[in-house]
Amino acid sequence: AQKITQTQPGMFVQEKEAVTLDCTYDTSDPSYGLFWYKQPSSGEMIFLIYQGSYDQQNATEGRYSLNFQKARKSANLVISASQLGDSAMYFCAMREGQGGSYIPTFGRGTSLIVHP
Amino acid sequence: NAGVTQTPKFQVLKTGQSMTLQCAQDMNHEYMSWYRQDPGMGLRLIHYSVGAGITDQGEVPNGYNVSRSTTEDFPLRLLSAAPSQTSVYFCASSGTPNTEAFFGQGTRLTVV
Repeated sequence: AQKITQTQPGMFVQEKEAVTLDCTYDTSDPSYGLFWYKQPSSGEMIFLIYQGSYDQQNATEGRYSLNFQKARKSANLVISASQLGDSAMYFCAMREGQGGSYIPTFGRGTSLIVHP
Repeated sequence: NAGVTQTPKFQVLKTGQSMTLQCAQDMNHEYMSWYRQDPGMGLRLIHYSVGAGITDQGEVPNGYNVSRSTTEDFPLRLLSAAPSQTSVYFCASSGTPNTEAFFGQGTRLTVV
C-alpha cells in the first residue's frame, strides 16, 4: 500500500490565485514528519516546507503553508498568490520515526501549471 | 559550500555493463539515500544509510549495491545494467530526520 498518496496528477491555476495540492499519508508511527518539495523543469529538488507530527500549528514558509489535519492523515500544500515560476512538479514526502528508517518516502507528485 | 555532489550528470550504458554513481556531501550529514525517479512514479527509495558503515535496502534495491565507508561518500553500484534501470537517479542527505533532505543534481542514466 502506498504510504503517500497524491491524487491530483495535474492542476491548473490562474496567476495570483491560491491553489491547494492534496496529500494523504498512511502510518501507524506516532512520530513522523511531512515534507513538500518542488521540482521545476530544470530537475533539481527544492525543499519547501516541513511539518512534524507533534507540531500544534500548521507550518508556513512565505507563500507556502501546510494544512495539517492529523485525524484525516492529510497534509495539503497551499500556495497563495500563485506566480508563473510556481509551475513545477510538487512532491509530498513522509519520514517515519521509531518504526521506520527516518528516510523520506515520496508520493507520485502533482504537476502544477500556472496560467498568466 | 558544495552541498551534495553527484557524478556523472549523464551516462549511457550497454546492457550488462557495470558502473558506479558517485555521491558526496560536505555537510557532515549522517543520513544519506539514493532514489530513482521514473515518469508517473515519483521518487522511489533504492538504498539508504543512517551512518558510516550502516546501509539498508529501500523499496527497489534489486540490481544495486551501496557502501558507506565514510560519512561523506555514498556510492551506488549497478552490477549488471538492464534497460529497466534507465532512470534519473538522485542522491540525498540530511543531518537529522526532522530537517530537509538536500539533493544532488541528479544523474540521467540510459541503458541500451
